[in-house]
Amino acid sequence: QVQLVQSGGGVVQPGGSLRLSCEASGFTFSNFAIHWVRQAHGRGLEWVALISYDGGHKNIADSVRGRVKISRDNGRNTVYLELNDVRPDDTAIYFCASVDTPKVAWGWFGPWGQGTPVTVSS
Amino acid sequence: DIQMTQSPSSVSASVGDRVTIACRASQDIGTWLGWYQQKSGKAPDLLIYRVSTLQSGVTSRFSGSGGGSDFTLTISNLQPEDSATYFCQQANSFPVTFGQGTTVEVK
Repeated sequence: QVQLVQSGGGVVQPGGSLRLSCEASGFTFSNFAIHWVRQAHGRGLEWVALISYDGGHKNIADSVRGRVKISRDNGRNTVYLELNDVRPDDTAIYFCASVDTPKVAWGWFGPWGQGTPVTVSS
Repeated sequence: DIQMTQSPSSVSASVGDRVTIACRASQDIGTWLGWYQQKSGKAPDLLIYRVSTLQSGVTSRFSGSGGGSDFTLTISNLQPEDSATYFCQQANSFPVTFGQGTTVEVK
């Protein structure tokens, strides 16, 4: 079964840090770029970050640049998103998603992780 | 970044109706337009890519059309399970961007 399973997240104080994980199964993970997309409550989808299939290319949205790191471990079929110096407007559900075409940096997304909530609050 | 604008923001229709959702890009994106369905509390699912190609397993009641900067998602013979929020997404240029979503309520 092709799937992405997310973990991490939760409640963090402003200025704090946390790490989100996204573990793949059921497909050749090392052939696919992974993106992170977030969704604030009742809002639309905002692209956050991408990492290429081999980890050689990364890109981060302007809204979080300097505070977010993305990495992957193809041996563990897992991508990580590290959020640092978090702010209240980082509060959202964070989704990881695979690009549906091998070795392409971006395109259409599928499968998606189940989403993990991040709440920034003191 | 390319801005994607959807209309309407919400629509309420009855079972069996046809619903049309519009998506406009701030510049020409050719045929690099996809649609996603997101049900409450779930991740989005890809419905249509390259304007009109149905993702495997998606019912033919969904169809897409358009090109350039104006696109349409049509749901024919609306069913209760179509209650969801629908997003368009452009994949013409980086970063990918999404419309703000259209919520479909089935009466």
